[in-house]
Amino acid sequence: AQSVTQLGSHVSVSEGALVLLRCNYSSSVPPYLFWYVQYPNQGLQLLLKYTSAATLVKGINGFEAEFKKSETSFHLTKPSAHMSDAAEYFCANPWNAGGTSYGKLTFGQGTILTVHP
Amino acid sequence: NAGVTQTPKFRVLKTGQSMTLLCAQDMNHEYMYWYRQDPGMGLRLIHYSVGEGTTAKGEVPDGYNVSRLKKQNFLLGLESAAPSQTSVYFCASGDPGEPQHFGDGTRLSIL
Repeated sequence: AQSVTQLGSHVSVSEGALVLLRCNYSSSVPPYLFWYVQYPNQGLQLLLKYTSAATLVKGINGFEAEFKKSETSFHLTKPSAHMSDAAEYFCANPWNAGGTSYGKLTFGQGTILTVHP
Repeated sequence: NAGVTQTPKFRVLKTGQSMTLLCAQDMNHEYMYWYRQDPGMGLRLIHYSVGEGTTAKGEVPDGYNVSRLKKQNFLLGLESAAPSQTSVYFCASGDPGEPQHFGDGTRLSIL
């Protein structure tokens, strides 16, 4: 299976500051990559997805992520944090078992984002 | 838009009891999945299904069984619950090449 690693289990920023959440993937082929957000007591919601069409991907709520093959990274950013961005964020990419993933995803460990007033 | 619906939302069991978690989706997706979420470990795939009548093991299948008798439903069973199965369980559905849609989870505690 492919794998993703999220650096930093907790990130804390002030309201209005830049948000940077890190994700590195392990893959020998261009992958699909996703970022999901999970608000307290809710399921996961898709923020954005990379499917090889463009290296800079824009998502919902002002988030974007840039695919960098040379760094095997897909970091999530937002120029100005809002209190409502406080949540847990997961990077994910599909398995690749014998070339057939059946859509199965491997998730990173998650990063909890705290936003201070 | 219901999307993916999980029942129940909360449950407390005693060790050795059995129960079934129900997942229903109304998006006509072929693929459905069961995950468990534990602190610091992200989501781990328990079982999945690529169509009605099919099931397959995921990353952590031991202690669980599943059935997909109807396309819209995916059931997760615990035959003899153990404290190690205390977790939050998420069901998801999707189509090939597309992101998955998640339910709101079932919080299960086993005493």
